[in-house]
Amino acid sequence: GQQLNQSPQSMFIQEGEDVSMNCTSSSIFNTWLWYKQDPGEGPVLLIALYKAGELTSNGRLTAQFGITRKDSFLNISASIPSDVGIYFCAGLRSGTYKYIFGTGTRLKVLA
Amino acid sequence: DSGVTQTPKHLITATGQRVTLRCSPRSGDLSVYWYQQSLDQGLQFLIQYYNGEERAKGNILERFSAQQFPDLHSELNLSSLELGDSALYFCASSVNFQETQYFGPGTRLLVL
Repeated sequence: GQQLNQSPQSMFIQEGEDVSMNCTSSSIFNTWLWYKQDPGEGPVLLIALYKAGELTSNGRLTAQFGITRKDSFLNISASIPSDVGIYFCAGLRSGTYKYIFGTGTRLKVLA
Repeated sequence: DSGVTQTPKHLITATGQRVTLRCSPRSGDLSVYWYQQSLDQGLQFLIQYYNGEERAKGNILERFSAQQFPDLHSELNLSSLELGDSALYFCASSVNFQETQYFGPGTRLLVL
């Protein structure tokens, strides 16, 4: 099925480091969502973005809705071991009502 | 806790069998979505219902079907099961068909 390009696919980082990941597409989106999924659990909504250029924070997490409306970015500052998991982006394409999900970024934090 | 409930949490069955997965959306949500997630894979959208009616279809096999009942809970029926159907099945709900989706804890299906 159709999915967004999400990168990186996986990353190992040291505890305390900042993390950046992004989702890109050739299509224009009206809404971007970022989820985190722990192993065997359902995705949990982290941040929702509804306007181009919007920058929203949730604790150590900050996400941005790209100006072109074709991408979004998620940053995690000062990572901790419990940040481990898979991060998914999801976008609602302009003119549609079906969310498309990214392929996920698998994050592993080394203590 | 997202407010979305799914039962059962785990299901083990044999090839050729039929199972039913159940989802109760968050209070007030009219839209229900079903997703399949195979091991280490992303989320594959299966089907969406809005207020009892099918709204969108994704990569759902003909052996699979779903419905949303008047009380807004939804069931996903999987029949003639194959080994490859083993996966996590998630239900999500939203207020309407464009709003943010909230996911349930999933049903882990193992077909032996």
